[in-house]
Formats: sequence, C-alpha cells, structure tokens
Amino acid sequence: DAGVTQSPTHLIKTRGQQVTLRCSPKSGHDTVSWYQQALGQGPQFIFQYYEEEERQRGNFPDRFSGHQFPNYSSELNVNALLLGDSALYLCASSLVEGEQYFGPGTRLTVT
Amino acid sequence: QKEVEQNSGPLSVPEGAIASLNCTYSDRVSQSFFWYRQYSGKSPELIMSIYSNGDKEDGRFTAQLNKASQYVSLLIRDSQPSDSATYLCAVNLRGVNNNNDMRFGAGTRLTVKP
Repeated sequence: DAGVTQSPTHLIKTRGQQVTLRCSPKSGHDTVSWYQQALGQGPQFIFQYYEEEERQRGNFPDRFSGHQFPNYSSELNVNALLLGDSALYLCASSLVEGEQYFGPGTRLTVT
Repeated sequence: QKEVEQNSGPLSVPEGAIASLNCTYSDRVSQSFFWYRQYSGKSPELIMSIYSNGDKEDGRFTAQLNKASQYVSLLIRDSQPSDSATYLCAVNLRGVNNNNDMRFGAGTRLTVKP
C-alpha cells in the first residue's frame, strides 16, 4: 500500500517565477491538505481539498492556489515567488475527518 | 497568544528515562489532538492521536489530554537514542463550517543520550 507521495523532491526557482507541486494521497484517502514548513518551525496550514473543492484555507495570500483531481491527487501552485516562500512544502492525506499522514515533502528554494 | 504552544527545548534525557513533552492550546472547541515525530530532514510521522480526556497508551508512548486545562502531553517511557527527534503537537480546530483546520506547535526537540 503506497503512502503519500510528492513530486518533485527538490526544486530551485527564481523570484517572480511560478511553481507547481504535486501530491498523491494514501490509498483510500479522499482529503488532501497542504502545509508550509520553514526551518525550525511547525507546519503552517495552507489549505485543504475535499471533493475537488477547497474546503478550508489558512492565512496565505492568493498567490497560493491549488487543485484536486477526481482521483484525489492534488497540486499546489505558487505564483510570483518570493524569497520568503523558500520552505519545505508538505502534503498530508486523510479521510475527511481523520488522522493526517504526511508525504516526504518538496524542498523549494527561491533565489 | 499562539494557538498551539510547546517548549522548543532542547529536552535532554538519559537512555531509559521517561521523556515528558507538553503542549497547550488556546481554542476551547478543539476536538482532536495529535503527536507527530519529525526526524531532521524528514517529514512528520503520526505517532499518537487522542480525542477524549484521560490517558491513551500505545507501546512506550502515552498521550494525556485535559480539555478543561487545554493541555495535552506525551510521555515516552524507556527512552531510546532513536527517539531523538522533534515532536510536534497538532490540534484540529473546528471552523464555523465544521471544517478541519490543523494547527501545529513549533515542536520540542528531544535528545536521548546513551
């Protein structure tokens, strides 16, 4: 049974560029949440997708957007990248009310 | 006041001792509480969940919840060097629409010395 997978593992982008990160949930899970984790901090909630709709959103600007596909996989898009967007981006999957399981993360570096 | 607060540590205990990790939260309507372990350079791994007041034991781990005091803790018995990691407390807030909104503490770094 495959767990949560994310791609790519690492990414280097330049300020102002756009990036798309991908996530496949654990088999049987229908809900995907995205988090940003800066060094030395806990994960910060970006948003959650369920039934292909954004169900809940944290305190992140509109530059952060997402999508969920019919197979429950999800994408996180970040536009107009800033240096401060450099972080580990984590995807977590769950059943809609259940425990969340994290993928390995995507390390984004903005130069 | 932060929504979820943890002592950042580092907390250092000798091998075989009990490690006690604490967490307080600000939202009285929170219903679900989780402990995650995160090794350096890795993603968080769920180790315990607790939903009701009292203790919940799983192997060497015991989670304790006191909703009246808005306090949740994790005890690790017979600590091993492999337990050295950052432990994240997470609280699932209930939004207006009854949606999930998970908030994490900054984590407590635990070092178990042989």
